[in-house]
Amino acid sequence: QVQLQESGPGLVKPSETLSLTCTVSGDSISTYYWSWIRQPPGKGLEYIGYINYSGSTNYNPSLKSRVTISVDTSKNQFSLKLSSVTAADTAVYYCARDLRPTAYYYMDVWGKGTTVAVSS
Amino acid sequence: QSALTQPASVSGSPGQSITISCTGTSSDVGGYKYVSWYQQHPGKAPKLMIYDVSNRHSGDSNRFSGSKSGNTASLTISGLQAEDEADYYCSSYTSSSTYVFGTGTKVTVL
Repeated sequence: QVQLQESGPGLVKPSETLSLTCTVSGDSISTYYWSWIRQPPGKGLEYIGYINYSGSTNYNPSLKSRVTISVDTSKNQFSLKLSSVTAADTAVYYCARDLRPTAYYYMDVWGKGTTVAVSS
Repeated sequence: QSALTQPASVSGSPGQSITISCTGTSSDVGGYKYVSWYQQHPGKAPKLMIYDVSNRHSGDSNRFSGSKSGNTASLTISGLQAEDEADYYCSSYTSSSTYVFGTGTKVTVL
């Protein structure tokens, strides 16, 4: 059974860099694409971006200048860095499995999410 | 990329059917068969319900069905039950090779 678990600091200061890691168990990270999604308190889901097994990435244009997603195949993990954070980046951050590059384009397994607050 | 448009709320009585719309553009919903629907209960992660417009995710109830016409996709819940009360989000693959989510719909069972 595939499971994803987000980890990282729950509090980040304004202007600093938010860093989160997603650990994948029950599947090889070298098989599919892997995504990050976030949800501000009381609001909807926002797609952040993805990385594939070879390290290729693609980001939401609205966040592209501040986002970096990387992968560590030796640890079966992928990570998110979001720079120059403000209070607007306060959200629950989810990682998810994206079934590309198969014929299926959707996210079928999600982590439970981790809450990150941006505050001084 | 702009969020797909969904009604903020939809309600229905137990046993009734409700439909949630999801409107995008030719660069997302209208251009691809890759529309999916997620159910989210409070404090929980989203759960995949429908993929590729109308395919039910394994193990999910057949009371959930999806369709698409032009730039608008729809999710229908038939035989509404109390456990269906949740937020629902559509998602579409886009011409930028990423995904975009809908604004979300709160379903209330009266």
